[in-house]
Amino acid sequence: EAGVVQSPRYKIIEKKQPVAFWCNPISGHNTLYWYLQNLGQGPELLIRYENEEAVDDSQLPKDRFSAERLKGVDSTLKIQPAELGDSAVYLCASSSPGGPTHNEQFFGPGTRLTVL
Amino acid sequence: GQQVMQIPQYQHVQEGEDFTTYCNSSTTLSNIQWYKQRPGGHPVFLIQLVKSGEVKKQKRLTFQFGEAKKNSSLHITATQTTDVGTYFCAGRNDYKLSFGAGTTVTVRA
Repeated sequence: EAGVVQSPRYKIIEKKQPVAFWCNPISGHNTLYWYLQNLGQGPELLIRYENEEAVDDSQLPKDRFSAERLKGVDSTLKIQPAELGDSAVYLCASSSPGGPTHNEQFFGPGTRLTVL
Repeated sequence: GQQVMQIPQYQHVQEGEDFTTYCNSSTTLSNIQWYKQRPGGHPVFLIQLVKSGEVKKQKRLTFQFGEAKKNSSLHITATQTTDVGTYFCAGRNDYKLSFGAGTTVTVRA
């Protein structure tokens, strides 16, 4: 089966510009996560979706970050305006609600964002 | 809030030797997961531990969950060059999974 798909893989923008990342989770996975990973650190959760509902967005900087998961499948994460400190890898992950792989998160390849 | 700490941050190992990386949580966990991230790659799930004192093995990797469900360890025997990467533990409390900073492993042949 296809894994989690993310695009673009790399993005370079100037500060104050907007940027958007797209994620297509594994088919049938109801739960979708957006993480931020800085160099030398573990992934940090930004937002978690159960179907189309954002059930945990407590770590999402809502002044500049927004996310949506229309129809409970694909998701988009947006930053507007981007700041220098936003440079990081943005990871999308998905998981299924039950079965032997319950709780296992499948990560996409990530989008490496560089803000100049 | 929940914090998960890992030590050591870096582990440089001679090929064939054993090593252990440790994970500690500030709160009791419902379960703990381990992931491996190869250089330039993304985290890949290795295992999940749920029960107090649980021990699981995957070939040369042995995972343990502490009796108090606040710590865990990963022990690798006879390290190979394919073990290179960063190993993350991730502790779950309710529905939130908190990742440690990882142990980055390099291997000298």
